[in-house]
Order: sequence, then structure tokens, then C-alpha cells
Amino acid sequence: DAKTTQPTSMDCAEGRAANLPCNHSTISGNEYVYWYRQIHSQGPQYIIHGLKNNETNEMASLIITEDRKSSTLILPHATLRDTAVYYCIAPANAGGTSYGKLTFGQGTILTVHP
Amino acid sequence: NAGVTQTPKFQVLKTGQSMTLQCAQDMNHEYMSWYRQDPGMGLRLIHYSVGAGITDQGEVPNGYNVSRSTTEDFPLRLLSAAPSQTSVYFCASSVLLMNTGELFFGEGSRLTVL
Repeated sequence: DAKTTQPTSMDCAEGRAANLPCNHSTISGNEYVYWYRQIHSQGPQYIIHGLKNNETNEMASLIITEDRKSSTLILPHATLRDTAVYYCIAPANAGGTSYGKLTFGQGTILTVHP
Repeated sequence: NAGVTQTPKFQVLKTGQSMTLQCAQDMNHEYMSWYRQDPGMGLRLIHYSVGAGITDQGEVPNGYNVSRSTTEDFPLRLLSAAPSQTSVYFCASSVLLMNTGELFFGEGSRLTVL
């Protein structure tokens, strides 16, 4: 897996955009970037993933730099329910045999304040 | 559609006892896996399976056995419980298509070994 680096914690005011950065400077050309989050003690929840192009879904936007060495997850209007640990993952994609072997580091603790 | 169901949700064992954590999914997913999460840590992969009859080791397999006799079920067996196995265990499943990105997680099984 490509190594990812995230800040340990971040704060955000409710209603504001939360921008969570991730460095993955060793990522290879065929490795996707995935984002998950874990609210309190629940199982992780998939948010979004991308390869080269920016992606958007109903939960968030993912901005990937042109050199693919970093990305930013954007929660456009953060709510108190978005307080969670956010994981940035770049798993190896070796012929499908490593698919799903997602390695979750310690992630970023996002706290959304009223 | 229940998704990924784990049982039991809570369990207390004595050192040396054995038990099985159950995991079932009703989404016809080929891929299933078990993770453990220790306090303040990320998730670590224990074992995974890419289909019935096929299993492989993850990052921390020692002390655990798995089998996959059906697509739906992927039980995790603790052979002789140790205090170091006190953790929260998560089961996850997904389709086996490349880079679909989304692992579905259960709610977790909280195990304490005394």
C-alpha cells in the first residue's frame, strides 16, 4: 500500500466547509485513493474514492492533485454529525489479489463545533 | 436487506477459552474480511476471503482461524483466547470488482478477555 499521511486532528465550525488533507507521495499510477470515516465506535463508512479526476457524491468532494501526491476531502457544509475519524487509504492494486486489503491508519479526528 | 450482521455484539471470555464470532452478509458479496481495532488505533486486517472455500491471512492472523463454506458466512474463531485479543472486531464485505471502493462494515463485536 502507498503510505498516507494525515493530520492527527482538525476542528471545523458547523456550517463551514471541512477540508481534510492527505499526502500519498508514494502512490503509483494505478492506485486509487479511498476515504472512509468512523463515527464513535461504529464500523467505518465509505465516503468516496478516486484515481485522477476530482470526484463528488452526495457526501463529499475529493480533490486530487495533478501529480496525485496528495488529495483533499471536502465536506461542504459540516454538521455536528460529521464529527468522526476520517481515514485516507491508498491500497495496492496488484491484479486484484490485494483488493479489499485496505489498511486503516490512525486517520484524522475531525471535530465539528457548534 | 440487513447488510453485514455480526454476533455477538459483546462477549467476555476467560483466558484459554475458545469462541466464534459470527459474520453474515446478504448482499451476495464475494469478498469478506475481519479486522480488529484496539483503543485509539486504526483497523488491522486479520483474515480475508475472496469466495467460498478461499481464505488468506492478513496483517495479524495469529490466534485466529477462519473458514468460508458459504458466500454468506465468514466466522472468526479464537482458538485459545488471550488478554491481548481484547479488542473490537469488525467484519466487512464487498463485491470483488476492481476498485469499486466500498467495503460494508458490520457494527462490531466487542470482546474482553480476562
